[in-house]
Amino acid sequence: NAGVTQTPKFQVLKTGQSMTLQCAQDMNHEYMSWYRQDPGMGLRLIHYSVGAGITDQGEVPNGYNVSRSTTEDFPLRLLSAAPSQTSVYFCASRMYAGGRETQYFGPGTRLLVL
Amino acid sequence: AQSVSQHNHHVILSEAASLELGCNYSYGGTVNLFWYVQYPGQHLQLLLKYFSGDPLVKGIKGFEAEFIKSKFSFNLRKPSVQWSDTAEYFCAVGSSNTGKLIFGQGTTLQVKP
Repeated sequence: NAGVTQTPKFQVLKTGQSMTLQCAQDMNHEYMSWYRQDPGMGLRLIHYSVGAGITDQGEVPNGYNVSRSTTEDFPLRLLSAAPSQTSVYFCASRMYAGGRETQYFGPGTRLLVL
Repeated sequence: AQSVSQHNHHVILSEAASLELGCNYSYGGTVNLFWYVQYPGQHLQLLLKYFSGDPLVKGIKGFEAEFIKSKFSFNLRKPSVQWSDTAEYFCAVGSSNTGKLIFGQGTTLQVKP
């Protein structure tokens, strides 16, 4: 298993540009999520999905869109990038069995918006 | 609303010193509790987790944590830290109903050799 993969590893955007951060997992996990990590603020949940075709907002969803057309993929879209979206983005997938869960994190995407 | 609070933002210790990082959470339902570690330049790794049963859980690399339900706390401990423990540590609370995982602000641990 490759686990959770993210592309790109690093991206520079200009304000107003759009882009998609890719996330894929090969563990057949139903639950996937996107976090952003900022200094002093820990990880904050942007959007999450409990299965293909189902998504919901997390703590900081504004400025981001997601879709979940397959179990494997959960892309995060920035429609019009802003400097406030400069951050490190982590994708995670969750194993859930018998009321117990573990989240697996991808390596992260560093995004700089100028 | 769910929240997680880590009391120490930056901790500096000498090697062999004992470590305790505080974590308190606010949530009304059944929770799963986690500690993650992020070494410099790397992504998050799971240190340990608590779901039920013995409130004292042992994780990797000599870390342990104790769940005290009455205090809504899940503090991380290690009897003797090493320079290689220098990292950022995150406490997290997961809802077994919704699957959401909420993180604390993180604690940066610096261990001086």
